[in-house]
Amino acid sequence: GAGVSQSPSNKVTEKGKDVELRCDPISGHTALYWYRQSLGQGLEFLIYFQGNSAPDKSGLPSDRFSAERTGGSVSTLTIQRTQQEDSAVYLCASSAPRRDRARSGSSYNEQFFGPGTRLTVL
Amino acid sequence: AQSVTQLGSHVSVSEGALVLLRCNYSSSVPPYLFWYVQYPNQGLQLLLKYTTGATLVKGINGFEAEFKKSETSFHLTKPSAHMSDAAEYFCAVINTGGFKTIFGAGTRLFVKA
Repeated sequence: GAGVSQSPSNKVTEKGKDVELRCDPISGHTALYWYRQSLGQGLEFLIYFQGNSAPDKSGLPSDRFSAERTGGSVSTLTIQRTQQEDSAVYLCASSAPRRDRARSGSSYNEQFFGPGTRLTVL
Repeated sequence: AQSVTQLGSHVSVSEGALVLLRCNYSSSVPPYLFWYVQYPNQGLQLLLKYTTGATLVKGINGFEAEFKKSETSFHLTKPSAHMSDAAEYFCAVINTGGFKTIFGAGTRLFVKA
């Protein structure tokens, strides 16, 4: 089956323009995550969608960033009025809960990552 | 709250030498622990995971990690490094509730010929 896909793979834009980044998760995965990875840095959590629940937006760095997930599948991350510091690789991941039978009632999400979108703001 | 600390942002080994990448975590509950690898210009790929049971976990490409509760550690090892192992490695812990993953800052592994 297909993995997580992201488009575009590379995006170059001018400062002040809006950009949209797309993520297609693995079919059937109920959870979807966005991360940002700046040059030489680790992963910065941005936002998390789980089923029909309200998304966890606690990682969005400013109100210029927003994301939506339509129909519980495809997600779009939008950055308005881009700034040079927004330049980074944006990674998407999806997962489905895996029940841990050894720990009764416990489950965990194993994330599968897309290849990322490299955003360059000039 | 959970957290992950990876000791050493860069590790350099010679080809054929032992690889040891250190990871310590904090968690108020029995953790779920992961190691991911990121090759240049690619996304993250799961190397191995600890959920329950055997504390020595084997993953892909000859890597393994040992969960040591008393040391709150989950160090990644490989007996003999290969040039193709050069990549960035991330240790991660799942938070309480099982849905959010907390990643370490990453360790970049260099392999010298």
